[in-house]
Amino acid sequence: QVQLQESGPGLVKPSGTLSLTCAVSGGSISSSNWWSWIRQPPGKGLEWIGEIYHSGSTNYNPSLKSRVTISVDKSKNQFSLKLSSVTAADTAVYYCARISAITVTTIDPWGQGTLVTVSS
Amino acid sequence: QSALTQPRSVSGSPGQSVTISCTGTSSDVGGYNYVSWYQQHPGKAPKLMIYDVSKRPSGVPDRFSGSKSGNTASLTISGLQAEDEADYYCCSYAGSYVVFGGGTKLTVL
Repeated sequence: QVQLQESGPGLVKPSGTLSLTCAVSGGSISSSNWWSWIRQPPGKGLEWIGEIYHSGSTNYNPSLKSRVTISVDKSKNQFSLKLSSVTAADTAVYYCARISAITVTTIDPWGQGTLVTVSS
Repeated sequence: QSALTQPRSVSGSPGQSVTISCTGTSSDVGGYNYVSWYQQHPGKAPKLMIYDVSKRPSGVPDRFSGSKSGNTASLTISGLQAEDEADYYCCSYAGSYVVFGGGTKLTVL
């Protein structure tokens, strides 16, 4: 079955850019699904960041839209997140996940998550 | 956009039933039949429990059920078991984006 794995730096400096990649295995990123990033600050709830289709179409959380870029690399079967101008408030566990294009809030499976800390 | 409103905590004894509510607006919960629920144990990734308001993925016990009325969705867990103790999050489509609830901690007494 499809599995997702996040990778990237665990520490980012304030005002810098957070960059993460999600590798998709067991299935094609060109399938009829959206590919999403979701984050969870320590001890807090889930926040949807955005999603991308294999065609390159994207949807972003309006509150983060000005700082977020999600891209897809079909040749490597992976997609990526860039979040600019980060502050301590962006410290969180970042998850990548698959979202059904048909039942648009069916988020499954999820990656294991990766903790990103924003600190100097 | 605001997060959906969930109670911060609920509790119940083994064998009992509990219901977790998730209140939104006509722009999200009330406007679409795209509500899902996730269970999250400490240190783990969330797990899909309910999608499309009331559908269960394969492997999820039928003790878990979902419903919706107006702008409020609900997750009911019947026959509570110790392993049900976890955080639960609702999620709704809001027209080109997705919004989560703040989460509810379920304690099995």
